[in-house]
Amino acid sequence: DIQMTQSPPSLSASVGDRVTITCRTSQGISIRLAWFQQKPGKAPKSLIYDVSRLQSGVPSKFSGSGSGTDFTLTIASLQPEDFATYYCQQSYAYPLTFGGGTRVEIK
Amino acid sequence: EVQLVESGGALVQPGGSLRLSCAVSGFIFSDHYMDWVRQAPGKGLEWVARSKHKPENYNTEYAASVRGRFSISRDDSTNSLHLQMNSLKTDDTAVYYCVRTRGGPYSAFDYWGQGTLVAVSS
Repeated sequence: DIQMTQSPPSLSASVGDRVTITCRTSQGISIRLAWFQQKPGKAPKSLIYDVSRLQSGVPSKFSGSGSGTDFTLTIASLQPEDFATYYCQQSYAYPLTFGGGTRVEIK
Repeated sequence: EVQLVESGGALVQPGGSLRLSCAVSGFIFSDHYMDWVRQAPGKGLEWVARSKHKPENYNTEYAASVRGRFSISRDDSTNSLHLQMNSLKTDDTAVYYCVRTRGGPYSAFDYWGQGTLVAVSS
C-alpha cells in the first residue's frame, strides 16, 4: 500500500497568514494527488486534483504543487472560512489512500 | 447540479448486515467511477470500495479490510449506487460517504454526498 504522510498534524495560524501543508508518499504516484477540506460535522470538499488543478468553484487562494513523492497545499491569506482539516489522497494505485489530515486552527 | 444522497445507515449488531444506497442525479451515471469512503468517529478518511464505469463493465475494487464482506453495486435504471455490508464488525462504525470521480481511470474524487452513519454495537 502507498503510505501518505502529512505534516504537520496540526497548525495554528492567523487570518491573513500563508499556510503550507506537506504530503509525502511512500512511492511515486505520478500526478495522482488530490487535496480535500473538511469542516466539523460536514462532508469533505474536493479542492485540488492532479497535484495542482483546482476543482470547479474553488478559489484561487488554494494552490497545489509538487512531484514524485513530495507535494504541498498552500493557502494564501488564510480566511476564517478556511479553518478546517485538510487531507491529501492518492489515486495512483489500489488501495486508494489518504493522509492522516492536518488540522488548521485559529491562533 | 450534481447530487449524491446516501441512505440506509442504522444501528446494527456485530455480525449483522446492512445495505447502503446512494441516489445520484445531475450527471451521466455510467460515465463515472463511483466510490464509498468512510470515516470512523474522530478519525480520518478511509477508502472502502469502487465501482468502475460502464466501459470497464462496472468492475469493482475493495479495501482489504472489507473484501469478502462488503459488495458494491450500481443500478443504472434507478441511478443508484449500493453497498451491501455483511458480517459487520464494531470497527465498521463510521459515516459512509458516496463519492463521484471525475471520470475513469486514475480520476480524482470530485463530488461527495452528505454521508450516512453506520453504528455497529451490541
